[in-house]
Amino acid sequence: EAGVVQSPRYKIIEKKQPVAFWCNPISGHNTLYWYRQNLGQGPELLIRYENEEAVDDSQLPKDRFSAERLKGVDSTLKIQPAELGDSAVYLCASSFRDRNEKLFFGSGTQLSVL
Amino acid sequence: DQQVKQNSPSLSVQEGRISILNCDYTNSMFDYFLWYKKYPAEGPTFLISISSIKDKNEDGRFTVFLNKSAKHLSLHIVPSQPGDSAVYFCAASAFSGNQFYFGTGTSLTVIP
Repeated sequence: EAGVVQSPRYKIIEKKQPVAFWCNPISGHNTLYWYRQNLGQGPELLIRYENEEAVDDSQLPKDRFSAERLKGVDSTLKIQPAELGDSAVYLCASSFRDRNEKLFFGSGTQLSVL
Repeated sequence: DQQVKQNSPSLSVQEGRISILNCDYTNSMFDYFLWYKKYPAEGPTFLISISSIKDKNEDGRFTVFLNKSAKHLSLHIVPSQPGDSAVYFCAASAFSGNQFYFGTGTSLTVIP
């Protein structure tokens, strides 16, 4: 069974440029998460989808970040414009939401903003 | 406000000995806890979980203990192997709260 697929693995951009990350979750998983992980920190939630609906985006910086989940499957996270402080690893995770939910993570996108 | 804390950034253990990784939480509504393992340049992978109705869960060499009164959980790895060298994150959620909160991680090094 294929795991969570993210692309690209690495991205280097200059500040004020736009950037987009893509995620394909595990087939059948109805819940999709985007997390940001800064160096030396644990993952922090940006947005959570249940099917097509963003059910928790309270920690998404909406002035520059946007996300969508097309047809309740793939998802894209965008930053426009990027700032130096956005340098981090962006992790996508998916799960089947039940009482014993387990998140399955992709390999992440390492973003460097210069 | 860090609701899940891992106060030991690193731990070194000899191969064959026990590794004990600790995690504390502040939110009494948390009722489900997970441990993840992360290798460099990879995403975290699920290791073991425990719900608040239990105080222990075991899976092979890995055992998680939960002390609800102390708001503390620990992961025991016995015996430790060099391949266990990784960063370990604990995570917690309240099912009704719909979000997982992660600690800052403990880097485990198992010395051959």
